[in-house]
Amino acid sequence: GQNIDQPTEMTATEGAIVQINCTYQTSGFNGLFWYQQHAGEAPTFLSYNVLDGLEEKGRFSSFLSRSKGYSYLLLKELQMKDSASYLCAVMPGANNLFFGTGTRLTVIP
Amino acid sequence: DSGVTQTPKHLITATGQRVTLRCSPRSGDLSVYWYQQSLDQGLQFLIQYYNGEERAKGNILERFSAQQFPDLHSELNLSSLELGDSALYFCASSVAPGDLYGYTFGSGTRLTVV
Repeated sequence: GQNIDQPTEMTATEGAIVQINCTYQTSGFNGLFWYQQHAGEAPTFLSYNVLDGLEEKGRFSSFLSRSKGYSYLLLKELQMKDSASYLCAVMPGANNLFFGTGTRLTVIP
Repeated sequence: DSGVTQTPKHLITATGQRVTLRCSPRSGDLSVYWYQQSLDQGLQFLIQYYNGEERAKGNILERFSAQQFPDLHSELNLSSLELGDSALYFCASSVAPGDLYGYTFGSGTRLTVV
């Protein structure tokens, strides 16, 4: 089976850097994804990692360590609009994404 | 607009009733996925179709069923509704199963069972 752990909530200050951690156990591994979801809206794709290391995309970066079953999403230069839930998801096989319950990030002035 | 269209956006119905949720995938996508998201819960995978055929099943109740039609749109049927079925139901699509560019989600159908 699959299990994903993320912190439930985090708070950070506008302009700062925040790191959202995700640990996972999965029977197979075809990649790890991060999605952003504003309240009541559709999740939107942020990043994908399948090899160990850091993937950078603008203000957002995602890191993966397959041996440790660990990933993090790094958000730099936080803006108020970054207040949202951040969902870590793994693709155990070729058929579907398994999502964690998400981390609700609140950015304060 | 993500390109994935879900209708209706909101649905209020009584316990014991049956509803149908509809999803049109993004142009060119052959795979459709259905997810349920209850209040403060993660996205729970229900079922996946690829080019008209069922590919994977998650924690989908026997009261729920789905299908994908030749034009690739999909419908999720929920019957004998209970209060606990109140949730956001998302449809997502991808070019193929295991698409490494992730899924594109529709804006969801908010179902309220009263």
